Amino acid sequence: DSGVTQTPKHLITATGQRVTLRCSPRSGDLSVYWYQQSLDQGLQFLIQYYNGEERAKGNILERFSAQQFPDLHSELNLSSLELGDSALYFCASSAPRGERQPQHFGDGTRLSIL
Amino acid sequence: AQSVAQPEDQVNVAEGNPLTVKCTYSVSGNPYLFWYVQYPNRGLQFLLKYITGDNLVKGSYGFEAEFNKSQTSFHLKKPSALVSDSALYFCAVRAPYNQGGKLIFGQGTELSVKP
Repeated sequence: DSGVTQTPKHLITATGQRVTLRCSPRSGDLSVYWYQQSLDQGLQFLIQYYNGEERAKGNILERFSAQQFPDLHSELNLSSLELGDSALYFCASSAPRGERQPQHFGDGTRLSIL
Repeated sequence: AQSVAQPEDQVNVAEGNPLTVKCTYSVSGNPYLFWYVQYPNRGLQFLLKYITGDNLVKGSYGFEAEFNKSQTSFHLKKPSALVSDSALYFCAVRAPYNQGGKLIFGQGTELSVKP
């Protein structure tokens, strides 16, 4: 058990809809990272938050947004969903200033767009 | 730009034989390198890391990795493979802290260990 919790495990929805993915980091970790895993793109970094503030952005679409709350949990919001958004979305957390430390991953949310 | 390459999509090994999963990297500065394993319908599990020091790094489940600066490689190894080692393996390099410290992953290598 990594200590990172992601809900829900599975989401099935239709094109044009909006969904919210939730992540609770390991106790004490201030950084939260979101990644997307798909067959054609592999594992891609989306966005990072550190102690409530956006820290870095990757290949995140404008239709996607995220935030980190005062209790350090994070949410990834995906809107105007398209078939190509079907993927596994992972959240990871790491210790403060932990660039030498591993990131710890949740089990992911599998998003299926019908 | 930092990048990682895993040249083999799949590696097949017989149980009990040694295994190697290859990884090469391209970074500016000192690399922070990681190996992760992913089992079906699960997240990525951390295996081991290289930050500095000894070139041979030991990790979880009997895995080890050899850092080679001249060949810019960080190959994952295990002396004796188990069927339960069958999974998807990812090599990753960590971006500098001033770039957020994200992980940059290779394409992944599917390891299949047959009895």
